[in-house]
Amino acid sequence: GAGVSQSPRYKVTKRGQDVALRCDPISGHVSLYWYRQALGQGPEFLTYFNYEAQQDKSGLPNDRFSAERPEGSISTLTIQRTEQRDSAMYRCASSPTGANSPLHFGNGTRLTVT
Amino acid sequence: GIQVEQSPPDLILQEGANSTLRCNFSDSVNNLQWFHQNPWGQLINLFYIPSGTKQNGRLSATTVATERYSLLYISSSQTTDSGVYFCAAKAGADKLIFGTGTRLQVFP
Repeated sequence: GAGVSQSPRYKVTKRGQDVALRCDPISGHVSLYWYRQALGQGPEFLTYFNYEAQQDKSGLPNDRFSAERPEGSISTLTIQRTEQRDSAMYRCASSPTGANSPLHFGNGTRLTVT
Repeated sequence: GIQVEQSPPDLILQEGANSTLRCNFSDSVNNLQWFHQNPWGQLINLFYIPSGTKQNGRLSATTVATERYSLLYISSSQTTDSGVYFCAAKAGADKLIFGTGTRLQVFP
């Protein structure tokens, strides 16, 4: 497709379960970003990759959160032992290069932890 | 890291009115983007504008990098313009930081 694709669109899980969120960036884009957006707030940075290398993971809230992009294309954000406070919209973005190019966002995955 | 502030936080307009949204940032930027989050939660790129002026239909944006602010102009507003408008800025190799947004409601 032409844009950033995220799946699933919605995910409801029980507290304590692990979840994996997938992002398929725009073909050829070098950089891939993960953001989290709580209701009524702006997106907050989690982590980003250039190719397969994770460049910055300073926004990951704790060690239950991890991300990978093993072949420099599709990325997975994994949350282990989910908690209710993890409920949010998780957004993925990609850009052609890192520094001076726009980010293009997908439609997000709405995660609800019950 | 860079600080991004938006004003006003809320804006209510009647259809046909014009409006100006402001974004202030605390550092020199190499990326400045405006987004529209529609009522369905989609985050839509409006402008990539680290400096200068751009126009797209009824929308235009200006960034004055030396004075560290950007403005988004909406003319002849329509109900479909409703939603939240975010400004996001990036300095150097840092990450793209979002402001808290301006919530716009346009009534017929």
